[in-house]
Amino acid sequence: AQSVTQPDIHITVSEGASLELRCNYSYGATPYLFWYVQSPGQGLQLLLKYFSGDTLVQGIKGFEAEFKRSQSSFNLRKPSVHWSDAAEYFCAVGAGQAGTALIFGKGTTLSVSS
Amino acid sequence: DAGVIQSPRHEVTEMGQEVTLRCKPISGHNSLFWYRQTMMRGLELLIYFNNNVPIDDSGMPEDRFSAKMPNASFSTLKIQPSEPRDSAVYFCASSLLSGNQPQHFGDGTRLSIL
Repeated sequence: AQSVTQPDIHITVSEGASLELRCNYSYGATPYLFWYVQSPGQGLQLLLKYFSGDTLVQGIKGFEAEFKRSQSSFNLRKPSVHWSDAAEYFCAVGAGQAGTALIFGKGTTLSVSS
Repeated sequence: DAGVIQSPRHEVTEMGQEVTLRCKPISGHNSLFWYRQTMMRGLELLIYFNNNVPIDDSGMPEDRFSAKMPNASFSTLKIQPSEPRDSAVYFCASSLLSGNQPQHFGDGTRLSIL
């Protein structure tokens, strides 16, 4: 069965510092991977997605993620964090089969200190 | 382009009352998902539809919860009778049926049962 683990419940980063949020998945075949961000009081917004090809994918708001098959990971990174990046981040995996639901991780809350 | 539209944004009602949450998916999308988000349990998939047909309702917590999708542009999630433990944020999301498509989320309905 598919599963997604986000090991860090809460991370605090200084403004301007780099960020890496971890995501590990369990899936037998090549997964479809997503990162979402949720700001307070809002729904989840898609940051980026990986289907195939280049293992380093670029997303919105300056985020990128790298797919590492050997480590079953899809970590999210940003070189310089802004205070507006404070939010909750969700990693999700899909089976790629038509009409199936995504499996979401529990989320990581990012706080940005000045 | 209009995103997923949910109504109402906020609902406060007394225990025992019927609650109906509404969702309009993105035009052309043929998969629709209902989620519940709480601090304790995180983001939970309640039910999803493909082409207006319920596919998996194993996440619906009790018989008090029901969902319908009478046509491609409208879905409801109903709780009858409501209980305080149903208080949560309920999200609707939609996607294309193809298995590698991301889900697009509405802004949610914040439900408080007194």
